[in-house]
Amino acid sequence: DTGVSQDPRHKITKRGQNVTFRCDPISEHNRLYWYRQTLGQGPEFLTYFQNEAQLEKSRLLSDRFSAERPKGSFSTLEIQRTEQGDSAMYLCASSLEGEQFFGPGTRLTVL
Amino acid sequence: AQSVTQLGSHVSVSEGALVLLRCNYSSSVPPYLFWYVQYPNQGLQLLLKYTTGATLVKGINGFEAEFKKSETSFHLTKPSAHMSDAAEYFCAVIAGSGNTGKLIFGQGTTLQVKP
Repeated sequence: DTGVSQDPRHKITKRGQNVTFRCDPISEHNRLYWYRQTLGQGPEFLTYFQNEAQLEKSRLLSDRFSAERPKGSFSTLEIQRTEQGDSAMYLCASSLEGEQFFGPGTRLTVL
Repeated sequence: AQSVTQLGSHVSVSEGALVLLRCNYSSSVPPYLFWYVQYPNQGLQLLLKYTTGATLVKGINGFEAEFKKSETSFHLTKPSAHMSDAAEYFCAVIAGSGNTGKLIFGQGTTLQVKP
């Protein structure tokens, strides 16, 4: 399968714990995006990479959130000191210059 | 700043009936518009997009949408609903001048198809 993959698909954690998600984009895609989707809402933009450079971050991305894309390939999204309000689906997408291809998402539940 | 409004969070149609999902946008620049579909526990799949050119855009699975600048609308239609069309549908616009490709989504419309 050459689509966007995300790991894990589901994560349950306790409030205050740190979690890390991984996204593997389509191999030749230079752009990578993270979105967050809460129940009953559309996805909201979190951050964007062009190759290894993080070019834009949403105000939604508090200082507890950090994203990296070393070597311009896979990306990680870390949430420190999780809160119940962080419970959501975290979507990754990649593109070359046009259409964004989305991964299946990581569903985070914070207890 | 760009924004998207989807009218109706839930739409229910009978199998074989016309599907109409409404989307209105706000944009200070010529918009690039998209419709995505999301099946349960899956990511988003692109149905169709409008960038420039022909205002009637055809997509996958028999869907089409028409860009109407005067009405700032990009409604999604399908002549005959199929049970497999039941899903969540999102309208989206590219933010700003489009350099980043960042998408701004509407709140989504759940399509229910009754047998």
